[in-house]
Amino acid sequence: QVQLQESGPGLVKPSETLSLTCAVSGYSISSGYYWGWIRQPPGKGLEWIGSIYHSGSTYYNPSLKSRVTISVDTSKNQFSLKLSSVTAADTAVYYCARRRLAFDIWGQGTMVTVSS
Amino acid sequence: IQLTQSPSFLSASVGDRVTITCRASQGISSYLAWYQQKPGKAPKLLIYAASTLQSGVPSRFSGSGSGTEFTLTISSLQPEDFATYYCQQLNSYTYSFGQGTKLEIK
Repeated sequence: QVQLQESGPGLVKPSETLSLTCAVSGYSISSGYYWGWIRQPPGKGLEWIGSIYHSGSTYYNPSLKSRVTISVDTSKNQFSLKLSSVTAADTAVYYCARRRLAFDIWGQGTMVTVSS
Repeated sequence: IQLTQSPSFLSASVGDRVTITCRASQGISSYLAWYQQKPGKAPKLLIYAASTLQSGVPSRFSGSGSGTEFTLTISSLQPEDFATYYCQQLNSYTYSFGQGTKLEIK
């Protein structure tokens, strides 16, 4: 059974970098598929942040591209998100997910608050 | 690519047939998915490729459409179907979601 689990600080200061990791179990990232990050501000809708292929090819939301880096570590079977220069507008639940023809498996999500 | 869902809010009763529409700002072939989200939970994939039911999803859910107009239909609402529904396009390498449709009990 494939499972994804997000981890990282729940509180980040403004102007700093948000860093999250998604650990994958039950499936080897090296075997293929795209992996992605999606976020949801409190009470609002879903926003796709970006995706990465197991080879390391990345695709980012144009509105966030200048601040986002997604990387993959196949040796640890995990992928990561870094979002720089955060503001209160980046406060959200952050989800990682696997993409086949759509995002079919999701992590439970982790709440990240940007506040001093 | 912008996705616009209608309606944004929908009030219905158990047993009703409901339809949610998702319109894309440009053609996306059949690269559209539908998700269901309940409060405090991650979204759940219902339909991909516009009309293919994800494994384990009840057959009362169905999807149709191609190009710029798509629909999600629930043939007979069950109590567990009251949730928020999102469409998502995966046509290009930049994916986007609709704003969501909240389905509430009448």
